[in-house]
Amino acid sequence: GAGVSQSPRYKVAKRGQDVALRCDPISGHVSLFWYQQALGQGPEFLTYFQNEAQLDKSGLPSDRFFAERPEGSVSTLKIQRTQQEDSAVYLCASSSEVTNQPQHFGDGTRLSIL
Amino acid sequence: DAKTTQPTSMDCAEGRAANLPCNHSTISGNEYVYWYRQIHSQGPQYIIHGLKNNETNEMASLIITEDRKSSTLILPHATLRDTAVYYCIVSPVNQAGTALIFGKGTTLSVSS
Repeated sequence: GAGVSQSPRYKVAKRGQDVALRCDPISGHVSLFWYQQALGQGPEFLTYFQNEAQLDKSGLPSDRFFAERPEGSVSTLKIQRTQQEDSAVYLCASSSEVTNQPQHFGDGTRLSIL
Repeated sequence: DAKTTQPTSMDCAEGRAANLPCNHSTISGNEYVYWYRQIHSQGPQYIIHGLKNNETNEMASLIITEDRKSSTLILPHATLRDTAVYYCIVSPVNQAGTALIFGKGTTLSVSS
């Protein structure tokens, strides 16, 4: 379909490993967001891109978290030296630049750190 | 912190209208009310948004009080597939790149 696509849907990693999560936004959407959702909680903002520029990374919990969007379309969220508290669902959302258009979410990647 | 208050849970019989309330007493004049829902194991799904007028689309209706301090999302004929967590969010107008601030939402359970 034409929605936001995330991969993998599930990722299991051992503590200390690095992981990379991918987001394919809706074609033509300028804005791209990453959110983290802990079990039983609402999503929480991590970082925001406008095209390839990362304009807000205030929600990234530590310097182990890194995101990029080099060509202004696909984005990757990387977590280095994973820890158990990184276990969560990571959601990607995109929106167009047309005023007040809503964000559209992918189904997320469920990350489990053993 | 979320600027909205919602009941933790609600029940609704299949085929009946589901009316989900939301309080946003500190809403600013330049903030929209957005509603999203999240079905188990899926990402949040946009439902509807409004500024001050009532809105309707193919999914739901949004009723905003005249003072804009509260709103109600109405699902006119709830089905089992409407069972989900419903989030009411306020977000500024004309600010691309503004992150959504989710609260804990209302868990709506629709039963037959």
